[in-house]
Amino acid sequence: AIQLTQSPSSLSASVGDRVTITCRASQGVSSALAWYQQKPGKPPKLLIHDASSLESGVPSRFSGSGSGTDFTLTISSLQPEDFATYYCQQFNNYPQTFGQGTKLEIK
Amino acid sequence: QVQLQESGPGLVKPSETLSLTCTVSGGSISNHYWNWIRQPAGKGLEWIGRIYASGSTGYNPSLKSRVTMSRDTSKNQLSLRLSSVTAADTAVYYCARDAITVFGVVTYYFDYWGQGTLVTVSS
Repeated sequence: AIQLTQSPSSLSASVGDRVTITCRASQGVSSALAWYQQKPGKPPKLLIHDASSLESGVPSRFSGSGSGTDFTLTISSLQPEDFATYYCQQFNNYPQTFGQGTKLEIK
Repeated sequence: QVQLQESGPGLVKPSETLSLTCTVSGGSISNHYWNWIRQPAGKGLEWIGRIYASGSTGYNPSLKSRVTMSRDTSKNQLSLRLSSVTAADTAVYYCARDAITVFGVVTYYFDYWGQGTLVTVSS
């Protein structure tokens, strides 16, 4: 199975900061990568699909880029509601796999 | 609006079979692909398997020998059975739908999720 490694595992930032989270795949997944946001006690919420396509209703401060093995999720200006855990997921190879998560905390 | 709701016993004894149901409202399960995904407390997400619109299934090889997924289209429900459970199977279990693009193509990321149900394996 393809392994996805996210970095950093945790991150402290302030409201208004620009934040980037990285997801690296153990082998190429083309652009078949999604990003999710998860808050405590809630299911994950789809943010980005196909590496860079913003899901309907998701604020434009979220953006994704990359292809092959290296991907990034960027939040351009952190808002209080953005503090959560973020996961990447590849769906190019069977079985689908997720990264281990990046916890974004308030500084 | 599509809504998913998981249900089932919150406590299962070791070596027994975990059985969960996902009730879908706001759309027919016959037209989509549906997944089960789990998350141990404080840990990441693990895809368990998928049931396709045809009713066929695909499972994570790591769990394949113990997993059975099925559906009841008359009740618009999905089911998960996981046999021979151990403490390592303790997790929140989610059902989730595979997204469909604007062109009607099914993809393998997840746009709708249930709230999840916690299953603890303990004697």
